[in-house]
Amino acid sequence: GNSVTQMEGPVTLSEEAFLTINCTYTATGYPSLFWYVQYPGEGLQLLLKATKADDKGSNKGFEATYRKETTSFHLEKGSVQVSDSAVYFCALSDWTGGSYIPTFGRGTSLIVHP
Amino acid sequence: DAGVTQSPTHLIKTRGQQVTLRCSPKSGHDTVSWYQQALGQGPQFIFQYYEEEERQRGNFPDRFSGHQFPNYSSELNVNALLLGDSALYLCASSSGTANTEAFFGQGTRLTVV
Repeated sequence: GNSVTQMEGPVTLSEEAFLTINCTYTATGYPSLFWYVQYPGEGLQLLLKATKADDKGSNKGFEATYRKETTSFHLEKGSVQVSDSAVYFCALSDWTGGSYIPTFGRGTSLIVHP
Repeated sequence: DAGVTQSPTHLIKTRGQQVTLRCSPKSGHDTVSWYQQALGQGPQFIFQYYEEEERQRGNFPDRFSGHQFPNYSSELNVNALLLGDSALYLCASSSGTANTEAFFGQGTRLTVV
């Protein structure tokens, strides 16, 4: 079946540091890949997405590249801010049993200190 | 566009009771998926509704059931509540015919005491 593995958190950084959150996936088909962000007490918001190999998704300074050869979709940001503190979820969506079902990783908590 | 709306936002129930959670999808979306998110975990897929039918189901017992109405809104029902059912329940809407992103509501925080 499909699965998503994310690096364990929390990731603790100082403001303006470089961020990488690793994500690898297993899929039977050719999935679309997503990063979602969840702020305390809220639902998930889409951060970025990529639908085919070598696509780069980007938004708000975050980016991730769909690497089919390494089945990875690592999230990066060059300079984090305190407001980026949240939980980040890597997800894939694949045709499974007659519909598209998003599968999520466990989430990685990011804490950014001033 | 109101996006995905869920009600209620918080709920406290006693073991053995039944609960109904509600979701209105984003305008233009015809598919609703429900997820359970335990504290510190990722969302776990419960089931998905499309054209008023349960199209797919995750690894959840029959105590979890749902419904989709002609206007695409949906309900999640949980019977015989257990303490372990305490979680954030998320509704996500999407287009049933395209592999695009799901849009999430803010969730319903269910506490079973």
